[in-house]
Amino acid sequence: AQRVTQPEKLLSVFKGAPVELKCNYSYSGSPELFWYVQYSRQRLQLLLRHISRESIKGFTADLNKGETSFHLKKPFAQEEDSAMYYCAPTNTGNQFYFGTGTSLTVIP
Amino acid sequence: NAGVTQTPKFRILKIGQSMTLQCTQDMNHNYMYWYRQDPGMGLKLIYYSVGAGITDKGEVPNGYNVSRSTTEDFPLRLELAAPSQTSVYFCASSYRQGLSYEQYFGPGTRLTVT
Repeated sequence: AQRVTQPEKLLSVFKGAPVELKCNYSYSGSPELFWYVQYSRQRLQLLLRHISRESIKGFTADLNKGETSFHLKKPFAQEEDSAMYYCAPTNTGNQFYFGTGTSLTVIP
Repeated sequence: NAGVTQTPKFRILKIGQSMTLQCTQDMNHNYMYWYRQDPGMGLKLIYYSVGAGITDKGEVPNGYNVSRSTTEDFPLRLELAAPSQTSVYFCASSYRQGLSYEQYFGPGTRLTVT
């Protein structure tokens, strides 16, 4: 069965500190991986996707196929990064399996 | 361009009642999805559609029905509401963009069944 694990429900870091949100997946085939974010009072929205190899708002995510992980990282956290983050792999493009989410709080 | 809209925003149902959650998108997306999110849990896929007239079950379809008569609309029907269906429901749509499928989400409907 497909499985996505985000081990930290809550994560607090100080402003300017590095942040890493963990995501481990168990998937058949070669999934495409996404990170979605939900800021307070806003809709869930795409943050970044693995295939684009992009950096969005200073965040990057590295796919480690050996460890089946897709951790989200940012070297210097900002207060506006406080939000709920979801890891979401898909193997067909039709079905996404969202993790339980990590609530990130950046302390001023 | 409103994106994905959902109605109602909130609803309280009694056990055994039925209702339809509405979802409309104006982006001409082929793919549409319904998710539910229980407290402290991730989103779980209920049903999805790859185009008008085509629907398929997701991870948790029991107790729900959908239809897709137009590209824009993807209503979710609860026939006999049960307390286990208390949740926040999200509708989403996506288009094909190479190998990646970004989803655009609606604001959600908070449903309570008592």
